Amino acid sequence: GAGVSQSPRYKVAKRGQDVALRCDPISGHVSLFWYQQALGQGPEFLTYFQNEAQLDKSGLPSDRFFAERPEGSVSTLKIQRTQQEDSAVYLCASSLSAAGGYTFGSGTRLTVV
Amino acid sequence: GNSVTQMEGPVTLSEEAFLTINCTYTATGYPSLFWYVQYPGEGLQLLLKATKADDKGSNKGFEATYRKETTSFHLEKGSVQVSDSAVYFCALSDPRNDYKLSFGAGTTVTVRA
Repeated sequence: GAGVSQSPRYKVAKRGQDVALRCDPISGHVSLFWYQQALGQGPEFLTYFQNEAQLDKSGLPSDRFFAERPEGSVSTLKIQRTQQEDSAVYLCASSLSAAGGYTFGSGTRLTVV
Repeated sequence: GNSVTQMEGPVTLSEEAFLTINCTYTATGYPSLFWYVQYPGEGLQLLLKATKADDKGSNKGFEATYRKETTSFHLEKGSVQVSDSAVYFCALSDPRNDYKLSFGAGTTVTVRA
């Protein structure tokens, strides 16, 4: 597609519920990234894929967070047993190469109640 | 670790005024530096970048110069328009893992007609 598409745009989850956030990168983009943006803050790195390989997951805040990209295109970020501190905007970005200049999606705003 | 500190907002200006947003960074090594912009309801977009000391990035009338001696990358525009109203983020790439961006907290700019 023309841009990075994320769904859903908004998600409200009850504490303890599992959620799955989807990212459709730009076709042909090898690199895919997930970032977390808390209210009033800049985005923080979560994880990086090159094709289907997850090369860096150092930013995932706990083992409740899991990301996958099984066929090297669409990616899913899953959060198990959501907590209130997980409330944030989750941004996906993609690029042809790894170094900077990414195209970001509009994000999924997750609210845990 | 790597960090970015940028001028707190919000900033409110009149059309045709001069805009400057200060950004300083801390990093080990020589990062690339970026300014991203987020217009209302849209995803982050790369505005400009610089990859080495004394480089000047420019786009859409905005400029920023990579100053190694002051570890700064201040964003400037000589004459702002209402359409420049947005949130501006300064960012750097990790010198050891250049796919990983560290962002400042963002500065909200509102330009009034």
